[in-house]
Amino acid sequence: EILLTQSPGTLSLSPGERATLSCRASQSVTGSYLAWYQQKPGQAPRFLINGASNRATGIPDRFSGSGSGTDFTLTISRLEPEDFAVYYCQQYGSSLTFGGGTKVEIK
Amino acid sequence: EVQLLESGGGLAQPGGSLRLSCAASGFTFSNFAVSWVRQAPGKGLEWVSTISGSGGSTYYADSVKGRFTISRDNSKDTLHLQVNSLRAEDTAIYYCARPRHFDLGYFDSWGQGALVTVSS
Repeated sequence: EILLTQSPGTLSLSPGERATLSCRASQSVTGSYLAWYQQKPGQAPRFLINGASNRATGIPDRFSGSGSGTDFTLTISRLEPEDFAVYYCQQYGSSLTFGGGTKVEIK
Repeated sequence: EVQLLESGGGLAQPGGSLRLSCAASGFTFSNFAVSWVRQAPGKGLEWVSTISGSGGSTYYADSVKGRFTISRDNSKDTLHLQVNSLRAEDTAIYYCARPRHFDLGYFDSWGQGALVTVSS
């Protein structure tokens, strides 16, 4: 089973700042089959990115994904108030597993 | 617009059973695999089970294998999860979600979730 480790656990930033979230896999993720989700309190997860870097329809271009192999990154170029949430990565190259999440909170 | 609406959650005793359902709309249900993903209180996401569009293939996480059964009724656009031999650690919000790319792929649509609480 591929384990995904997300870091940091919590990221404290101000609106307008850049957020960089890391997702590291215990072994290489086949095909860069890596997705990202956003979850706000009391809501279901929202799909953001698949294939490591392909934004879902309607996702603002301030969200970008990158990486391959075992190291992946979600970048939010300038945080908007609605971006403060928990973010999860998920690999689907070998069965499927989720990371433990990164909380982006207002500083 | 894809919509997934879960029902059937509630309180169950350890060792007990529940049946969760998910009503789908906005897409051709039989053409897509569908899944259950759960989230324990204050915790992260855990994939539980997936069933292929035809129902011919099913997949389970090791943590639920032998206790949970996924099924679907394509005539009613409905997904089910029969959960038996419940344990305290099964307490979670259970989300219905639609996987893409593979049966075990990424999830582009999610329901609002159904809460299952296992307690005596």
